[in-house]
Amino acid sequence: EDQVTQSPEALRLQEGESSSLNCSYTVSGLRGLFWYRQDPGKGPEFLFTLYSAGEEKEKERLKATLTKKESFLHITAPKPEDSATYLCAVRPRDDKIIFGKGTRLHILP
Amino acid sequence: DSGVTQTPKHLITATGQRVTLRCSPRSGDLSVYWYQQSLDQGLQFLIHYYNGEERAKGNILERFSAQQFPDLHSELNLSSLELGDSALYFCASSVALTDIQYFGAGTRLSVL
Repeated sequence: EDQVTQSPEALRLQEGESSSLNCSYTVSGLRGLFWYRQDPGKGPEFLFTLYSAGEEKEKERLKATLTKKESFLHITAPKPEDSATYLCAVRPRDDKIIFGKGTRLHILP
Repeated sequence: DSGVTQTPKHLITATGQRVTLRCSPRSGDLSVYWYQQSLDQGLQFLIHYYNGEERAKGNILERFSAQQFPDLHSELNLSSLELGDSALYFCASSVALTDIQYFGAGTRLSVL
């Protein structure tokens, strides 16, 4: 069965304290792995798409990496405005997109 | 602003009723996706339409149905509503079949 597990569920960091969020997946025929950011009361906002193991993408303080079993979202020197829920999603061969439950990230000033 | 418009923003109704949620995709986007988000289940994929045709169906209840019209807007119909249907319903659109999805602001449905 296709599934996505994100860890940790919640993470509190001090401003400037780097860390990583994990997304483990089991999927038949990965057609893409996506990272989104969601602020309270809003729709998810696209961050990255990764397609194959070894691929990496960066945007400002965020860097996403992909292996055959998991993806990491590395956040370097975070700021309070990076506080949000980060969602990971996979697109399997059958196109039935699966989202993880997210990691709630809180950056303390 | 993602360019995806969902109406209404809020909907309060009673059990047993039927409601229609509307989604206008970004200009030029052919794909429309519907999701349900509840506190305990997270974001759940319901259905995907591409250029008017159903492409993939997730765990969508039989009481729920959707369609995409020739002008590419989409509607999600929820009938015989139950308390457990209370959730945020999101629509997303993308240019083609596997592109980046842009999400609307959602419709918050409260079933009383």
